[in-house]
Amino acid sequence: AQSVSQHNHHVILSEAASLELGCNYSYGGTVNLFWYVQYPGQHLQLLLKYFSGDPLVKGIKGFEAEFIKSKFSFNLRKPSVQWSDTAEYFCAVTSSGNTGKLIFGQGTTLQVKP
Amino acid sequence: GAGVSQSPSNKVTEKGKDVELRCDPISGHTALYWYRQSLGQGLEFLIYFQGNSAPDKSGLPSDRFSAERTGGSVSTLTIQRTQQEDSAVYLCASQVGGTGYNEQFFGPGTRLTVL
Repeated sequence: AQSVSQHNHHVILSEAASLELGCNYSYGGTVNLFWYVQYPGQHLQLLLKYFSGDPLVKGIKGFEAEFIKSKFSFNLRKPSVQWSDTAEYFCAVTSSGNTGKLIFGQGTTLQVKP
Repeated sequence: GAGVSQSPSNKVTEKGKDVELRCDPISGHTALYWYRQSLGQGLEFLIYFQGNSAPDKSGLPSDRFSAERTGGSVSTLTIQRTQQEDSAVYLCASQVGGTGYNEQFFGPGTRLTVL
């Protein structure tokens, strides 16, 4: 069965620090990869997605992620975080051709100190 | 336009009671998903609808859980004889198409507490 693992459960950073959140998935076939974010009191919303092509994808609010097929990884990065980035971040995967159901990682809570 | 809406936003019930949770997807979205977000289990897929049919029910945790969708729009998730372990936030998402390529739009969730 597919699974997604996020290595960091709780990350605390100061503003302007760089961010990297790890995500690994287990699936041998073609996958589609997503990062979703849930700001306090808000809905889950899409940050970025990867289907094919350039493995470095850019999303909203200055986030980017790199797909490394050989490592089954899709790490999220941001060069300089802001207090407003405080949120919970979820990595998710679907397999191509399936029903589109998302398999989520456990989530990483990011706290940015002003 | 309106996003995905869910009702009620909060539901407190006693163990053994039945509950119904409602989801109104974005108009025109043919695919609808239910997920559950609970402490210790993270976000779990429950069921997927394409139109009014549910080709994937693999995430429903027991036969106490059922869902239906009518008119290709509103969906209801029913939990019978609720247990304390059913306490969670139930999220609904809708999508154009129902494949792995399109964004899913999530509702605000229903927080269910079983006493």
